[in-house]
Amino acid sequence: DTAVSQTPKYLVTQMGNDKSIKCEQNLGHDTMYWYKQDSKKFLKIMFSYNNKELIINETVPNRFSPKSPDKAHLNLHINSLELGDSAVYFCASSQRDGVQFFGPGTRLTVL
Amino acid sequence: QQQVKQSPQSLIVQKGGISIINCAYENTAFDYFPWYQQFPGKGPALLIAIRPDVSEKKEGRFTISFNKSAKQFSLHIMDSQPGDSATYFCAAITNQAGTALIFGKGTTLSVSS
Repeated sequence: DTAVSQTPKYLVTQMGNDKSIKCEQNLGHDTMYWYKQDSKKFLKIMFSYNNKELIINETVPNRFSPKSPDKAHLNLHINSLELGDSAVYFCASSQRDGVQFFGPGTRLTVL
Repeated sequence: QQQVKQSPQSLIVQKGGISIINCAYENTAFDYFPWYQQFPGKGPALLIAIRPDVSEKKEGRFTISFNKSAKQFSLHIMDSQPGDSATYFCAAITNQAGTALIFGKGTTLSVSS
């Protein structure tokens, strides 16, 4: 069974469009995250939610808005997409022990 | 300011050799140090992790060495195999709920057969 799943796996879109990425975890974890991996493979936190409450909101343009409808889901909505938003976005989840499990990633390409 | 520094950026090792990747951190509040392995097109997967109360942890061919006073830790891959070819990330995190992993920049390992 997939522990952390993301959809879609690939997303190709035009500049200026609005898109969403969905994430679900079936591990029963309290905390979920969004990380961004750039073209140089550097991984950086964007957001974290603990029990549906926003904990971390790094210096991310406000075009990015996370939404957590319940503990098992954390979606990422991106408005007015820009070329620089092209990256791989990873969802992750953890329990209080700090061990984080990552999803397979969503490769976003903005044309 | 990069809180976790990782080296080397890339590494080529012969099959059967030892691969060594080093990391250094700055924040003494970090209390959990995982290593992640990432294959192309996949998400990072936890490989092995250590907490600062031990100096070494071994799981199969993978060993973490931890030096708290120097604020350094390293990953050793013994008997490296072509299947180990991947990108390896060290990371660090504090124990507060919801805090994020701080990653090193990654090391691309190629094991030649």
